[in-house]
Amino acid sequence: DGGITQSPKYLFRKEGQNVTLSCEQNLNHDAMYWYRQDPGQGLRLIYYSQIVNDFQKGDIAEGYSVSREKKESFPLTVTSAQKNPTAFYLCASSGDLFQPQHFGDGTRLSIL
Amino acid sequence: AQTVTQSQPEMSVQEAETVTLSCTYDTSESNYYLFWYKQPPSRQMILVIRQEAYKQQNATENRFSVNFQKAAKSFSLKISDSQLGDTAMYFCAFMKHGYGGSQGNLIFGKGTKLSVKP
Repeated sequence: DGGITQSPKYLFRKEGQNVTLSCEQNLNHDAMYWYRQDPGQGLRLIYYSQIVNDFQKGDIAEGYSVSREKKESFPLTVTSAQKNPTAFYLCASSGDLFQPQHFGDGTRLSIL
Repeated sequence: AQTVTQSQPEMSVQEAETVTLSCTYDTSESNYYLFWYKQPPSRQMILVIRQEAYKQQNATENRFSVNFQKAAKSFSLKISDSQLGDTAMYFCAFMKHGYGGSQGNLIFGKGTKLSVKP
């Protein structure tokens, strides 16, 4: 079945450590996105990618980095520069930037 | 900048009854999309319904329908014959259509927690 796979489901980060969240899709979608969700809040866009080897900052990109070396994959690195990384992270994809976005099951990141 | 406001943090409805969730938005764009997403306790975001701003006809998907009032910048979701499985957070979202920056950026409201009671 086609879909979006995020791993791991739960992730813990130590102070000063970079961690990478995985997002893989087999929907043959060109566009991929990363969102952050805080308690009681809607989602906020971190980064998005319209096509392989291209990505753009969203509203809250500081302290995060991404790569898009393959169409299927869009990993997100939460760097030590992100001072408040505890949140729920959702990856999404769409056929193009104007098609509805489909979401993965999310990764919950916590600080040790 | 676009904003999306959901004024009802929590709502409840009896099973089989009808409930309406409110959403207003602010934008200077003339061409855009509006969405309702559902987030059940499993936390996955599920697309419920989509409306193109240029279409006057309200979108419908089975038990879910919208009341889109473009002039009033209002986009409410009506759930008919509510079922226990409809219990979830519901998010209203806006997306600009067209190029020139911010394309593909979904702007979300803070959500409405809906509880369907047996």
